[in-house]
Amino acid sequence: GESVGLHLPTLSVQEGDNSIINCAYSNSASDYFIWYKQESGKGPQFIIDIRSNMDKRQGQRVTVLLNKTVKHLSLQIAATQPGDSAVYFCAGPLNSGGSNYKLTFGKGTLLTVNP
Amino acid sequence: KAGVTQTPRYLIKTRGQQVTLSCSPISGHRSVSWYQQTPGQGLQFLFEYFSETQRNKGNFPGRFSGRQFSNSRSEMNVSTLELGDSALYLCASNSPGGAEQYFGPGTRLTVT
Repeated sequence: GESVGLHLPTLSVQEGDNSIINCAYSNSASDYFIWYKQESGKGPQFIIDIRSNMDKRQGQRVTVLLNKTVKHLSLQIAATQPGDSAVYFCAGPLNSGGSNYKLTFGKGTLLTVNP
Repeated sequence: KAGVTQTPRYLIKTRGQQVTLSCSPISGHRSVSWYQQTPGQGLQFLFEYFSETQRNKGNFPGRFSGRQFSNSRSEMNVSTLELGDSALYLCASNSPGGAEQYFGPGTRLTVT
């Protein structure tokens, strides 16, 4: 079945450094991916998404890269700040071509930013 | 505009009881999704409602049910609670025509 997973459960970086969070997926037909940020005591917050017809998309201080050949995507956060400390999830539709409101999530990576 | 509201925020129940959780989506959103979040299984899709109809369902037992009202507010119910039902239950308000989901703060359910 389809799965979305994270390479590392934790990541610790120094304030000001760039952070890279990785995610792998198993279904080559997956066509849409989303990155979420979840702070302690809050629900997940949408960060950025990417469709399979793209290999890169940039937002404010964040960039998502999609490598369909190896079924891998990454979230890059530039100049990481203490406020970026949170758990980051990658997610995709549960079924290929299915509803984007029915998502499967990776387990998450806890990003800790050290001052 | 107001965000997603979930009530209650915290709940403690005992095994065998039932529980009802409520979610009010963002005004104008007609689709609501529910997820269960646990440390072991992560975020898992429960079901999605659109215009009072269940449109998608995840792989949870029949003890988990939901409904949506004409004002788009949604409730989920868990009957015959088990210890393993202890989790954070998240409701997402789904933007019309797009894929953005706006999550509420969740209801933390503890079953003892």
